[in-house]
Amino acid sequence: EVQLVQSGAEMKKPGATVKISCKVSGYTFTAHNINWLQQAPGKGPEWMGLVDPQDGEVIYAERFQGKVTISADTTIDTAFMELSSLKLEETAMYYCAVSLRDLPTFLDVWGEGTTVIVSS
Amino acid sequence: EIVLTQSPGTLSLSPGERATLSCRASQRTNSRYLGWYQQKPGQAPRLVIYGVSNRATGIPDRFSGSGSGTDFTLIISRLEPEDFAVYFCQEYGDAHYTFGQGTKLEIK
Repeated sequence: EVQLVQSGAEMKKPGATVKISCKVSGYTFTAHNINWLQQAPGKGPEWMGLVDPQDGEVIYAERFQGKVTISADTTIDTAFMELSSLKLEETAMYYCAVSLRDLPTFLDVWGEGTTVIVSS
Repeated sequence: EIVLTQSPGTLSLSPGERATLSCRASQRTNSRYLGWYQQKPGQAPRLVIYGVSNRATGIPDRFSGSGSGTDFTLIISRLEPEDFAVYFCQEYGDAHYTFGQGTKLEIK
């Protein structure tokens, strides 16, 4: 069974940095890209970017360029997402998700989500 | 960049009724790249329909999808209590995933 297990909830002050992890099991870690998505309260998910664990290549959504850093550690089958210079409005749920398809058109498996609260 | 607009924002129906959810794209999209997700409170989204009309693993046949070009529809033929949730449409393009703002399907 494919599983993505994320790290626990975080509470941060404005201007801080948060780093969330996503541990993968049930398939070969390097076989599929890991995606990260932000979901603000009452909104649809917004794709932030992805990492190809095979070679470390990353692609970021334009809106998150310079704000997010995504990486992967193949020694522990874990992907990471770091958000810097946090703002109050970045209080949201953050998900990792993976497509298990040859053409990654849909996100088949999602992590349980990590709540990030930004508050002074 | 494509924008997906879902309607209605909220749909109030009773169990046993038929639900029709709409997703309109700001430009023509490849139907193979259009899907729908269900999200229940406190849970991650779950893929329901992919490639416009294909049911994901474990999704009952009361769920169906249709459409082409810019207009797509998710139909739930006979609502069960477990179907009441928020539904998002999603389009894939250039390694990016774009989601609609969601339709909340609530019990009347």
